[in-house]
Amino acid sequence: QKEVEQDPGPLSVPEGAIVSLNCTYSNSAFQYFMWYRQYSRKGPELLMYTYSSGNKEDGRFTAQVDKSSKYISLFIRDSQPSDSATYLCAMSGPRGSARQLTFGSGTQLTVLP
Amino acid sequence: GAGVSQSPRYKVTKRGQDVTLRCDPISSHATLYWYQQALGQGPEFLTYFNYEAQPDKSGLPSDRFSAERPEGSISTLTIQRTEQRDSAMYRCASSFTSGGGETQYFGPGTRLLVL
Repeated sequence: QKEVEQDPGPLSVPEGAIVSLNCTYSNSAFQYFMWYRQYSRKGPELLMYTYSSGNKEDGRFTAQVDKSSKYISLFIRDSQPSDSATYLCAMSGPRGSARQLTFGSGTQLTVLP
Repeated sequence: GAGVSQSPRYKVTKRGQDVTLRCDPISSHATLYWYQQALGQGPEFLTYFNYEAQPDKSGLPSDRFSAERPEGSISTLTIQRTEQRDSAMYRCASSFTSGGGETQYFGPGTRLLVL
């Protein structure tokens, strides 16, 4: 079983819809939680970054972390065709431990105009 | 530089050949990571450097894989005696420091195809 599991998708929604993307994880040492967006033929780019549990909002994007359930989510409000991409959750351990990111497998999102 | 660059962008090689991939990180970044990304999967950690030191090689799949960063800037990833299962996207990322949670900036990747 992988350390990070992500809903595989693909997900197709109409423009303006609310999108919910989710990951679960098994390693309780993870403390940093990230969402990366990857457009076709490009490298992943950081979209949202959260430390420990809680919510973080940035424009149309909201990231939620529930460490007790080992569950993280990304919500996209008023989705746009330009949001069409693969979304990867990623996480890493605390300072002083391993620095590498552990990624989910990604969810491919298409927002239809 | 403005971002992380990698070369070549595409590499096709025959089984048994050696290949070397190059990564040029963001100039102020001390830490450099190598990941392997299979089609339809997220990147998987291979190794990382703090300047020229290589504290963690735990993700390298076999001793055919090696990486260097001799002057603490540009890094190379070498795969010896390539096998078809080595076909993947190889991604490099860099971060300002090696502290946990530091933002990693990814390059465009090198797509390797082993025939």
